[in-house]
Amino acid sequence: DIQMTQSPSSLSASVGDRVTITCRASQNINRYLNWYQQKPGKAPKFLIFAASTLQSGVPSRFSGSGSGTDFTLTISNLQPEDFATYYCQQSYSSPPMYTFGQGTKLEIK
Amino acid sequence: QVQLQEAGPGLMKPSETLSLTCNVSGGSISNYYWSWIRQPPGKGLEWIGYIYYSGSTHYNPSLKSRVTISVDPSKNQFSLNLTSVTAADTAVYYCARIIWQQLVIAFDIWGLGTMVTVSS
Repeated sequence: DIQMTQSPSSLSASVGDRVTITCRASQNINRYLNWYQQKPGKAPKFLIFAASTLQSGVPSRFSGSGSGTDFTLTISNLQPEDFATYYCQQSYSSPPMYTFGQGTKLEIK
Repeated sequence: QVQLQEAGPGLMKPSETLSLTCNVSGGSISNYYWSWIRQPPGKGLEWIGYIYYSGSTHYNPSLKSRVTISVDPSKNQFSLNLTSVTAADTAVYYCARIIWQQLVIAFDIWGLGTMVTVSS
């Protein structure tokens, strides 16, 4: 199975900061990597497709990059509504076995 | 817009069979893949399996022996059965729609989730 490892596991930042979350795959997954945001008690929200394509309605302060094994999610000019847990998810495995990272909790400093 | 809503028992006893249904509204279940994903309390997300509207399925190997996902296009619903549940199956269960573009698969629309607790 392809393992996804996110770092850091938690992160404290202030409104207006720029933060970067990293997701590393245990093998090459090309750009088959998506990002989600989850707030407490809510379902995950789909943010970024195929490593870097922002979904409709997602603010442009969110960006994704990477390919192969290393990926990043960057949030510029943090807003209060951005404090949440972020998950990466790969879809490269064949036969299908879609795995998520363990999550990165972004907290207010 | 498409909305998903899970329905299930809430509380179960060990060894019982979990049955959940996901109702799709605001759009057709046809021509899409649909999935179940779960999240134990305080933990991360685990993909359970998917089904195409025509009925073809694929499951997480770690759950495959206990999982069945089915679809009823006439009701715009799909369902999850998980047999022989234990406390380890306690989780919020989400249904989700799959989008599949350029071989990349993502879960673009999620239900609100339903908490299932397994306890004697």
